[in-house]
Formats: sequence, C-alpha cells, structure tokens
Amino acid sequence: DGGITQSPKYLFRKEGQNVTLSCEQNLNHDAMYWYRQDPGQGLRLIYYSQIVNDFQKGDIAEGYSVSREKKESFPLTVTSAQKNPTAFYLCASSIGRRGGYTFGSGTRLTVV
Amino acid sequence: AQKVTQAQTEISVVEKEDVTLDCVYETRDTTYYLFWYKQPPSGELVFLIRRNSFDEQNEISGRYSWNFQKSTSSFNFTITASQVVDSAVYFCALSEAAGANSKLTFGKGITLSVRP
Repeated sequence: DGGITQSPKYLFRKEGQNVTLSCEQNLNHDAMYWYRQDPGQGLRLIYYSQIVNDFQKGDIAEGYSVSREKKESFPLTVTSAQKNPTAFYLCASSIGRRGGYTFGSGTRLTVV
Repeated sequence: AQKVTQAQTEISVVEKEDVTLDCVYETRDTTYYLFWYKQPPSGELVFLIRRNSFDEQNEISGRYSWNFQKSTSSFNFTITASQVVDSAVYFCALSEAAGANSKLTFGKGITLSVRP
C-alpha cells in the first residue's frame, strides 16, 4: 500500500546533538512538508519542498535543515541551534493543486 | 497571508450530544481549499473532508456534517449523537490553490472529549 513512513516513532537525543528524522513516501507525490506540533499550538510548517533539489522555509525553519535529493525522501535534521526541539513532528506529501495531503504517523522527539 | 482560527480550545460533551466545532479562516485568494482533520491519541492525522471555495454546499457523511459559509469565512463541523470514539483533537486547515503544491495552514485545534 502507498503511504508515508516516518521513522523512528520515538526519538531521544541529548541536548546539543543533531538528529535526523526520516520521511519516505511511495505515493509518487511531488511535494513534501514537515510540520511541528506542540500542545495548544496546532501544526506549524517547518520546511516544504515542491520538487526534487528544491525546498523553502516555512514559518519556523530556524534550527532545522532539510534535503530533497530524491522524490521519495525528505529528511529533517534538528540541529543543536534549535532552542526547544522537544515536539511531535509530522511529515506530509501532496500530489498537486487538486490533490489531497497524506500524513505520516509522526515522530515524537524528546531532548534529554 | 492565510490564517485559520479555531477559537474553541477544549469541548467536553456527554455521549449522544451534538457538538459543533467552529472554524474561521482568512485568505486573499478567491480559490482555496478547506480541510478538517481528526487526530486521535495515537497521533496520526485522519483526513475528514476537503472543500473547495467554489462549492458552498453543505456536506453530510454519517454523523458528520459541515457548514461552509463564504459570507462569514467559516467552515464549521458538527458531530451528531457524539460517541466516545469521537474524542480527539480536530484541526481545520486552509490551502491556497494559487501554487501547484500549496502548503496547509492549520488552526490550533480543538480537543473534544466525549464522556460516556
């Protein structure tokens, strides 16, 4: 079945370390997105990519980096510059203007 | 810039009550899409509905119904005869259709608790 796979489901990192969250899709979708969710804040856009080798900052990109070397993959790196990285991270993809959005099951990152 | 406001933060009802979740949006585009998603405790987002800005017909799907009113920029969601399984966080979202792949802007979500 087609879908989006996010791994791992739970991730712990020590303060000051970089960590990379994986997002893979087999839906042949052009666009991919990363959202961050905090309690009471809804989902906020971190980065998005409309085509391979191109991506744009969202509303809260500081302290994060991404790459889009393959259509299927859009990994998110949470760097040590991110002041408050503990959150739930959701990856999504879409096929285009009239298409819907498909979400992964999320990665819960905790900084210890 | 686009914006979605869900003024209600938490709602608690007793099973079998009807409940309406409010959503107000702002956009300068004439063409856009509105969405509702459900997020159960497991965390994944469950798609409920997508409505484009040219279709103002209300929609009913089982116990769920949606009221889209462009005049008030609202897209409200009603659950009839609520059940405990409806307990979740519900998000309203907006996508402007100008770009080929437009990003979704979410409201802050409404936590619905349905008590037995």
